Amino acid sequence: QVQLVQSGAEVKKPGASVEFSCKTSGYSFRNYDINWVRQAPGQGLEWMGWISGYNGNTDYAQKFQGRVTLTTDTSTNIAYMEMRSLRSDDTAVYFCARGRGQPPDQSFDYWGQGTPVTVSS
Amino acid sequence: DIQMTQSPSSLSASVGDRVTITCRASQSISTYLNWYQQRPGKAPKLLLYDASSLQSGVPSRFSGSGSGTDFTLTISSLQPEDFATYYCQQSYRTSWTFGLGTMVEIK
Repeated sequence: QVQLVQSGAEVKKPGASVEFSCKTSGYSFRNYDINWVRQAPGQGLEWMGWISGYNGNTDYAQKFQGRVTLTTDTSTNIAYMEMRSLRSDDTAVYFCARGRGQPPDQSFDYWGQGTPVTVSS
Repeated sequence: DIQMTQSPSSLSASVGDRVTITCRASQSISTYLNWYQQRPGKAPKLLLYDASSLQSGVPSRFSGSGSGTDFTLTISSLQPEDFATYYCQQSYRTSWTFGLGTMVEIK
C-alpha cells in the first residue's frame, strides 16, 4: 500500500534552518510528484512547492521562493524539503503529499502524517 | 494567484442531513477543482478530483459538481465520520491554492 512517512517534530529558533523528510513506499517513486503543504495552528492549507519524482523539476509558491529547497533521492525514494531563515510564523504542521495527475491538473491523493514545527526563541 | 472562497465557513448538521458546501474561484478554472476532508489532528484526504470524479474508496454519498467559477460538494446523508473540515483546491494553475475550509459540526 502507498505510504508516506515523515520525519519527527522539530523545535527551532528564529533564523535557523530545518530539513524535512518524506519516505515513500508502495508505488513507483519516479511516476509521481511530491508536494509540500503546510498548516498553521487553527488555519487552512497552504501549498508550498512541488517536485517531480521523474526528473527533479521543481515549482515553488512565490512566498517561499529562495527560502525553500525541494530535493529527492531516487535511490531511497525519499523526498526532502529544506526551509531556511525560520520565523515564528513558520510554526505549523508540514505535510508531504503525492501528486496525482500531470501538473497543473494535480490533486494530492496520499499524504504523510505531518511534521509539526515550532519556531520560538 | 487564484483565490478560492468557500461558504459557509462552518455549519451544524445532524446525522442523515443533506449538506452542501460551496467553493468559488476568483477566475474560471474549468473543472480543475478538488475536494479534501480533514479530521482533527489528521492529514487531509482526497475526496473528489476534477470537480466530480470520486476518488477510489470514497463513499458514494459524496458528490461534486460545477465548472467555471462555482462548485459544490454535497454529502447526501451525513454520517458520524463525516464531521470534519472540508477544503477545495484549484488545480488549474500553479501556485495551487486552497479555500479556507468549511467545518461541519454536529448539531
